[in-house]
Amino acid sequence: AQSVTQPDIHITVSEGASLELRCNYSYGATPYLFWYVQSPGQGLQLLLKYFSGDTLVQGIKGFEAEFKRSQSSFNLRKPSVHWSDAAEYFCAVATPSGGSYIPTFGRGTSLIVHP
Amino acid sequence: DTGVSQDPRHKITKRGQNVTFRCDPISEHNRLYWYRQTLGQGPEFLTYFQNEAQLEKSRLLSDRFSAERPKGSFSTLEIQRTEQGDSAMYLCASSSLAGYNEQFFGPGTRLTVL
Repeated sequence: AQSVTQPDIHITVSEGASLELRCNYSYGATPYLFWYVQSPGQGLQLLLKYFSGDTLVQGIKGFEAEFKRSQSSFNLRKPSVHWSDAAEYFCAVATPSGGSYIPTFGRGTSLIVHP
Repeated sequence: DTGVSQDPRHKITKRGQNVTFRCDPISEHNRLYWYRQTLGQGPEFLTYFQNEAQLEKSRLLSDRFSAERPKGSFSTLEIQRTEQGDSAMYLCASSSLAGYNEQFFGPGTRLTVL
């Protein structure tokens, strides 16, 4: 069975600083990988996804992630964090099911942004 | 695009009572998913529908849980004889049949069982 590990429960950065959120996955086949963001009172929003091809994936809101098969990682990065980026971030690995994809989520990393 | 909506947003109930939640997906979406999210954890898949057919159920979906999507539009999730361990956020998502089937999530229903 697939699993996702987000080793950092909380990350604190200063506004304008760079950000990297870690994600490691366990999955036997080629993974489908995702990053979602969840703000208080809001639904989860997809930031980016990786299915195949270029291992550096660009997403919304200036985020990017790099798939590294040798390290089983899919870390999320942003060069300059804004205060509005403070939220909960979830990494997920998905397996196909009946034509759809069922994601398995990590426990999340809470991003705190200091002014 | 009105997005996925869920009702109610909050529900407080006493142990042993039954509760029902409703999810209205994005209108053209054929697939609808239910997840549960407990504090400090990521969402966990419960079940999903394609139109009115329930295609997959997680082992998390005990006999006390039942989900329906009778006309292939909105869905309901019922929990019978609630237990304190059922306290969680219940999330609904929907997706189209086309392409990658990105799931769009609703704001969730927070259940507190006293």
